[in-house]
Amino acid sequence: DAGITQSPRHKVTETGTPVTLRCHQTENHRYMYWYRQDPGHGLRLIHYSYGVKDTDKGEVSDGYSVSRSKTEDFLLTLESATSSQTSVYFCAISETQGADQPQHFGDGTRLSIL
Amino acid sequence: AQSVSQHNHHVILSEAASLELGCNYSYGGTVNLFWYVQYPGQHLQLLLKYFSGDPLVKGIKGFEAEFIKSKFSFNLRKPSVQWSDTAEYFCAVNARGFQKLVFGTGTRLLVSP
Repeated sequence: DAGITQSPRHKVTETGTPVTLRCHQTENHRYMYWYRQDPGHGLRLIHYSYGVKDTDKGEVSDGYSVSRSKTEDFLLTLESATSSQTSVYFCAISETQGADQPQHFGDGTRLSIL
Repeated sequence: AQSVSQHNHHVILSEAASLELGCNYSYGGTVNLFWYVQYPGQHLQLLLKYFSGDPLVKGIKGFEAEFIKSKFSFNLRKPSVQWSDTAEYFCAVNARGFQKLVFGTGTRLLVSP
């Protein structure tokens, strides 16, 4: 398995609080992604990064921000969490652009916002 | 924009039954196609992928998928399922030249022993 660590693995917090999820990789891959997984929606891309300090929005980016100050770390921040952001969040990495290399996924973070 | 449809949301089979999960995509250009599997409590793992060449692709654990360009389909098959195949299966598509991978909504497979 690819070396991807997500932290925390579980978090419960209250509406309006800031939350930061961390994805750490040891593969030195250039591309990193944040998805959320919800029943009936599959996986939806929130943000992705194509290099240090280079990020772009996915299809469900509202309410989320990201930062990548080092190759190995990709942070996802909910500035003011809402109940609609209760979800399972997955980080993924890939070696190259496009899809000639598949994405490898972390174990996920289960986030509950009360 | 790309989109992916998985027709079956839940499938229940007995062990040794044959499996076919449907996947259709919408995009007029060249695509890369994937099937991922998520076992209970685990992360997504790649089952198989199609980029070019032989449209019948063989993956891990006895799974295969056939790309039919005229039908925009990439159905997943396995001749004889096992209890350990109980999982959620996701089809995904990437349009050549685009960075983003688009997932279907998933199919939950339950195999009863």
